[in-house]
Amino acid sequence: DIQMTQTTSSLSASLGDRVTISCSASQGISNYLNWYQQKPDGTVKLLIYYTSSLHSGVPSRFSGSGSGTDYSLTISNLEPEDIATYYCQQYSKLPWTFGGGTKLEIK
Amino acid sequence: EVQLQQSGPELVKPGASVKMSCKASGYTFTDYYMKWVKQSHGKSLEWIGDINPNNGDTFYNQKFKGKATLTVDKSSSTAYMQLNSLTSEDSAVYYCANAYYGNYYFDYWGQGTTLTVSS
Repeated sequence: DIQMTQTTSSLSASLGDRVTISCSASQGISNYLNWYQQKPDGTVKLLIYYTSSLHSGVPSRFSGSGSGTDYSLTISNLEPEDIATYYCQQYSKLPWTFGGGTKLEIK
Repeated sequence: EVQLQQSGPELVKPGASVKMSCKASGYTFTDYYMKWVKQSHGKSLEWIGDINPNNGDTFYNQKFKGKATLTVDKSSSTAYMQLNSLTSEDSAVYYCANAYYGNYYFDYWGQGTTLTVSS
């Protein structure tokens, strides 16, 4: 299975900050990488698919980038509703696998 | 508005089985695969498998073969997941999520069903 690693398990930032969350795959995944947001109440939403495509209704302050094995999610101008845990997920090879998550908190 | 409404929390004894549901609304049920995901307490997400509501074809993560069985009822736009031979390791929150054919992302998610396996 492809292992997805989010080395930062938690991150503290201030409102208005620019935040970058990283994700690394155990092998190249050809940009087949999605990002999800899980709120403290458990609600999960798709943010970004295929590395950098914004899902419908997702604010433009979210963006994604990367290639090969290394990918990142950037939130510009952090807002209170962005407090959540963020997961990456690869779909290069079955089984689809997720990263361990990065919990974003307000400083 | 796309909604996936999952059934309520379950408390089940070890060795038993449980069947949970995911009722879809706001879209054409047969246009999207239904996916299931496990989240053990405080941990990450694991893909369990997919089902094609059109023909019932299923695709499982090898890890969950024999543990999970996915089915659908097209008449009620509802997907089901049965878990058998339950142990404490199966205690988790289980999510359903849909994915349009040809897309490889988990598009919309249900609110999750909490399963507790305890005697």
